[in-house]
Amino acid sequence: SQQGEEDPQALSIQEGENATMNCSYKTSINNLQWYRQNSGRGLVHLILIRSNEREKHSGRLRVTLDTSKKSSSLLITASRAADTASYFCATYTGGGNKLTFGTGTQLKVEL
Amino acid sequence: GAGVSQSPSNKVTEKGKDVELRCDPISGHTALYWYRQSLGQGLEFLIYFQGNSAPDKSGLPSDRFSAERTGGSVSTLTIQRTQQEDSAVYLCASSPMTGVYEQYFGPGTRLTVT
Repeated sequence: SQQGEEDPQALSIQEGENATMNCSYKTSINNLQWYRQNSGRGLVHLILIRSNEREKHSGRLRVTLDTSKKSSSLLITASRAADTASYFCATYTGGGNKLTFGTGTQLKVEL
Repeated sequence: GAGVSQSPSNKVTEKGKDVELRCDPISGHTALYWYRQSLGQGLEFLIYFQGNSAPDKSGLPSDRFSAERTGGSVSTLTIQRTQQEDSAVYLCASSPMTGVYEQYFGPGTRLTVT
């Protein structure tokens, strides 16, 4: 089973709209990270939120973390066509040395 | 500075052949990770190195897979007697240390076994 599961699996929106993706995880964490992947190749780290933080911002990104519900959300505001990508949440498991990724949300931003 | 690099970017091989995939991490990063991503799937953890040591090899799919790292830098993932189910994108990442930190990914090697 996945440590992180995301929903929705796919999301299609118009440019300028906001996109929200959710992630649930199973075990206790030190931090939770979000990554973006374009065209099935290398991933790019977007943002890291520590377990003692509830909300974090970076540019048009806003991440929330609720450790009591073991869930996180990623909000992209004022989306652009260039935001079209797959987004993954990830947490360290396996004694803290193994980064386990969620199933991912495929975001499509249309002009 | 230079990011994580991987070579080759694409590899097509015949079933039964051996392949070597290379990863050059960011200079100074002691932790190095290998992942596999099959078409349309999430990332599957394979192995990580702390320095030249690989404490956890449980993610390797079979004994046909092996990995090594020398000089605390370059790593090689070797797949022996390739099978069609080995076709995937193999991604390498590095970070300053294991655990806690964000990981920096290379562009991946797309392996196709015919």
